[in-house]
Amino acid sequence: TQLLEQSPQFLSIQEGENLTVYCNSSSVFSSLQWYRQEPGEGPVLLVTVVTGGEVKKLKRLTFQFGDARKDSSLHITAAQPGDTGLYLCAGATHQGAQKLVFGQGTRLTINP
Amino acid sequence: NAGVMQNPRHLVRRRGQEARLRCSPMKGHSHVYWYRQLPEEGLKFMVYLQKENIIDESGMPKERFSAEFPKEGPSILRIQQVVRGDSAAYFCASSPNSRTEAFFGQGTRLTVV
Repeated sequence: TQLLEQSPQFLSIQEGENLTVYCNSSSVFSSLQWYRQEPGEGPVLLVTVVTGGEVKKLKRLTFQFGDARKDSSLHITAAQPGDTGLYLCAGATHQGAQKLVFGQGTRLTINP
Repeated sequence: NAGVMQNPRHLVRRRGQEARLRCSPMKGHSHVYWYRQLPEEGLKFMVYLQKENIIDESGMPKERFSAEFPKEGPSILRIQQVVRGDSAAYFCASSPNSRTEAFFGQGTRLTVV
């Protein structure tokens, strides 16, 4: 069974601070996706990383895929209250398929 | 992801009743995935369907749960004789093919009382 471990599960920081969320596995994934989920809503895709070592930036968010394609990180610079939410990483288990294995999520709270 | 329509948004069922969850994929999408999310947990894969075919149902409980995606109409996730442990948010996602990221619907929150 492939598992994705996300850490930390909960994170509460002050506005303006930086933070990193980690997603680790002993399994290799063909791609890894990061989602953000608001209460009562479905996950919304933020980014997909495919190549080992790949780095993608989305404004203040930086996503990295590990060289061995087993782990990933999400770094947020100068966090804002609008970044508050549940962040989920998900690995694709087959080449080209979207049968995803999700981490348990990181609930992020940015305090003004 | 507003294009993937799930209904109802909220569903309350008594123990032993049947629950039917509907998912209309985005226009042009013929691949549908169902996931279940328990409170404070990540999503768990249940089943992957293409039009009229079940491709992978490895995440589906072997009893009481079934899914279909007919040639016409929405995909249906059916839970017979619901129990309290079935209470969860059920999400549907769709994609145009197996290689493209799927978009998620807003989910159906099932409460079994």
